Amino acid sequence: NAGVTQTPKFQVLKTGQSMTLQCAQDMNHNSMYWYRQDPGMGLRLIYYSASEGTTDKGEVPNGYNVSRLNKREFSLRLESAAPSQTSVYFCASSPRLAGGPSYNEQFFGPGTRLTVL
Amino acid sequence: SQQGEEDPQALSIQEGENATMNCSYKTSINNLQWYRQNSGRGLVHLILIRSNEREKHSGRLRVTLDTSKKSSSLLITASRAADTASYFCATALPLEYGNKLVFGAGTILRVKS
Repeated sequence: NAGVTQTPKFQVLKTGQSMTLQCAQDMNHNSMYWYRQDPGMGLRLIYYSASEGTTDKGEVPNGYNVSRLNKREFSLRLESAAPSQTSVYFCASSPRLAGGPSYNEQFFGPGTRLTVL
Repeated sequence: SQQGEEDPQALSIQEGENATMNCSYKTSINNLQWYRQNSGRGLVHLILIRSNEREKHSGRLRVTLDTSKKSSSLLITASRAADTASYFCATALPLEYGNKLVFGAGTILRVKS
């Protein structure tokens, strides 16, 4: 039982390059999330998927796209990377949507450190 | 101020002392959660307190919630060097606020041995 896994762990891109961050969970959770973490700013929600087949924008979606490939996998794509996207990216999952009355906790992956030059 | 602000931003204590971190928020909430993050790792859930609860315990952790003041505190008793980490509060917002979990900027705790 690996929990939430993310690949790659580290990535360096040049401005304008594209890449996809992969995330998978083996806990049969319905909801999945992508966050970015920048110094002094906590975690900011980029996109989330309440359940398989649905995706919604979070707080900072510009410059990103997501795909909920199946119940297990949720990928984040940077189409044209910019230096402002240098950050640590975390994927998380929860049994149901973490807000609302369902008292869910989120389970986090180890993160991807992305540097855009 | 943002939803979910922790105070202090950083805290340095001696092993064996208690550590208290505070969290303030702005909107109504369904529950409030505390997470821990060790350097270079993902966040790990510590404890959840529902909006109709006032206090909750888990091992050396004690969480209080005051919905009238829109604030929460996390107390770690008898701290250990292994407690050194960043601690985040997260507020679970109801449907009218987007039905989501919003994280604060965190408190960096250093426990000196």
